[in-house]
Amino acid sequence: GDSVTQMEGPVTLSEEAFLTINCTYTATGYPSLFWYVQYPGEGLQLLLKATKADDKGSNKGFEATYRKETTSFHLEKGSVQVSDSAVYFCALSETTDSWGKFQFGAGTQVVVTP
Amino acid sequence: DGGITQSPKYLFRKEGQNVTLSCEQNLNHDAMYWYRQDPGQGLRLIYYSQIVNDFQKGDIAEGYSVSREKKESFPLTVTSAQKNPTAFYLCASSTDTNSYNEQFFGPGTRLTVL
Repeated sequence: GDSVTQMEGPVTLSEEAFLTINCTYTATGYPSLFWYVQYPGEGLQLLLKATKADDKGSNKGFEATYRKETTSFHLEKGSVQVSDSAVYFCALSETTDSWGKFQFGAGTQVVVTP
Repeated sequence: DGGITQSPKYLFRKEGQNVTLSCEQNLNHDAMYWYRQDPGQGLRLIYYSQIVNDFQKGDIAEGYSVSREKKESFPLTVTSAQKNPTAFYLCASSTDTNSYNEQFFGPGTRLTVL
């Protein structure tokens, strides 16, 4: 079945450092790919998405490119801030049995220190 | 402001009791979902509903029940048959269940069994 694998956390960085969170997926068809962010005690917020190969999603300085050849959707940010400390989830949605079921990765905790 | 509300934020239950978690959305979305989140794990789908008066089991439906009598409401009942109910519960909605549509999440309910 479909699955999403993310790098394990926590990832600890200093402010203004470069952030990469690796995400790879397995899917039988052509899924849409998403990154969500979760702050402590809250629900998930959509960060960005890409719906077809080579699409680049971007938001708030974060970027991710849908790479079909490597089945990856790595999240990057050039200069992190303390406020970026959160848990990040990679997810895919693929049409199966007539509806788009989401599959989430286990999440990667990011800690940014001043 | 449009969004999803969940109540209560914290819920304590004694063993053997049923409890109902509320989820309301004013986004005019057709599809709604319930997920369970355990520490260090991704989200697991409990139930979903594509339209009013219709719902389907997800991956971990045992011990849970739902109803969808109104478009804006999708309450989840955690029954005494659920062996390990302590978790963070997230409700989500989407325009429809097409795979390219993102899901919007509520703030969550943390359930603790005493």
